[in-house]
Amino acid sequence: DGGITQSPKYLFRKEGQNVTLSCEQNLNHDAMYWYRQDPGQGLRLIYYSQIVNDFQKGDIAEGYSVSREKKESFPLTVTSAQKNPTAFYLCASSSGTSGRVYEQYFGPGTRLTVT
Amino acid sequence: LAKTTQPISMDSYEGQEVNITCSHNNIATNDYITWYQQFPSQGPRFIIQGYKTKVTNEVASLFIPADRKSSTLSLPRVSLSDTAVYYCLVVNRDDKIIFGKGTRLHILP
Repeated sequence: DGGITQSPKYLFRKEGQNVTLSCEQNLNHDAMYWYRQDPGQGLRLIYYSQIVNDFQKGDIAEGYSVSREKKESFPLTVTSAQKNPTAFYLCASSSGTSGRVYEQYFGPGTRLTVT
Repeated sequence: LAKTTQPISMDSYEGQEVNITCSHNNIATNDYITWYQQFPSQGPRFIIQGYKTKVTNEVASLFIPADRKSSTLSLPRVSLSDTAVYYCLVVNRDDKIIFGKGTRLHILP
């Protein structure tokens, strides 16, 4: 059964702690993305990666870090430097190449709450 | 900063046709326009994608004028289950991926 998995669905952390959100895909897609969604808002791009060992900052990369060591995996770390980390985080993948954005497949999301 | 613009919300009745327009006047010349549907606490789901003129699939149509500065998603004969938020996605000329802020569609019985 192909798709994107994100874990966990809900995550709670204390302020000042780093936390890593998991994203795995078995669609053999080259490109992967991380978005942040706040209540009642649209999606904002954090980071994206078009190929293994390469990634680019999106509009709101400050306070976040990523790695892309394997094609299937694109974990996102929310660091203590992120001022407002509480949000719904969505991972996506697509077969996009050469900078073109093709159909993106989204995971179920992780809701992070930091207190 | 280049962006997309969509109506914040729309209401319609079951059985009606709904048209949602997104303006994107700084769209890249060689990228597609894509629309997604999102239900609460779920990831967005692909609806339709097009480059120019008209595209139709089993759930929607997408109309794109020649200048590609806007696009209109058309949902025929909506039902209560079409109540959701609809987003357009484009890539602009700075190679930035731009998601619209979404249109909250509410279908009434």
